[in-house]
Amino acid sequence: KAGVTQTPRYLIKTRGQQVTLSCSPISGHRSVSWYQQTPGQGLQFLFEYFSETQRNKGNFPGRFSGRQFSNSRSEMNVSTLELGDSALYLCASSFAPGQSNYGYTFGSGTRLTVV
Amino acid sequence: DAKTTQPTSMDCAEGRAANLPCNHSTISGNEYVYWYRQIHSQGPQYIIHGLKNNETNEMASLIITEDRKSSTLILPHATLRDTAVYYCIVLIIQGAQKLVFGQGTRLTINP
Repeated sequence: KAGVTQTPRYLIKTRGQQVTLSCSPISGHRSVSWYQQTPGQGLQFLFEYFSETQRNKGNFPGRFSGRQFSNSRSEMNVSTLELGDSALYLCASSFAPGQSNYGYTFGSGTRLTVV
Repeated sequence: DAKTTQPTSMDCAEGRAANLPCNHSTISGNEYVYWYRQIHSQGPQYIIHGLKNNETNEMASLIITEDRKSSTLILPHATLRDTAVYYCIVLIIQGAQKLVFGQGTRLTINP
């Protein structure tokens, strides 16, 4: 079956702009989580959505937001981009919040570069 | 979530067993031990998880000590494709949660 699909794979934006990243979970998975990975901070949790509701949120400023649609697809938005937002953004899906017997399945990520 | 401690890096010869340790001395009774790995520029990949008993699947074995304060991930016959960063995570399986990744162990498999 198809894995977690993230689009686009690469993105270059200018400081001050906003960006929207997309994630399509594995068919049947209803929980979607987002993570940011940078060389300095490693992998950090952004938020988790289930049934179109945000269930958990990490310690990121309000410029980072997300949403989930009725088909479980999710988007995350970053407004007023800063150079420090350059990172690999990863999406992970599971059947429901919490770990399934197979853990979370991650996508390949979107690499965002802010210039 | 309980904190984990892993060595920063390890080397292993191809074809040998790779044993990756993880300390989680503050683990609570209902927290599971999970292992993920991340191959360069890819998303993390689930490997295995366990609560008390040793577990084995097609990828690896997980050995958890009786007091549950440490565990070891074993890749029985390491290949070059097993070169990756390996993360040990402990968390409760219920409700909304997040994976708290440490720095992991960078495992290099040498030919």
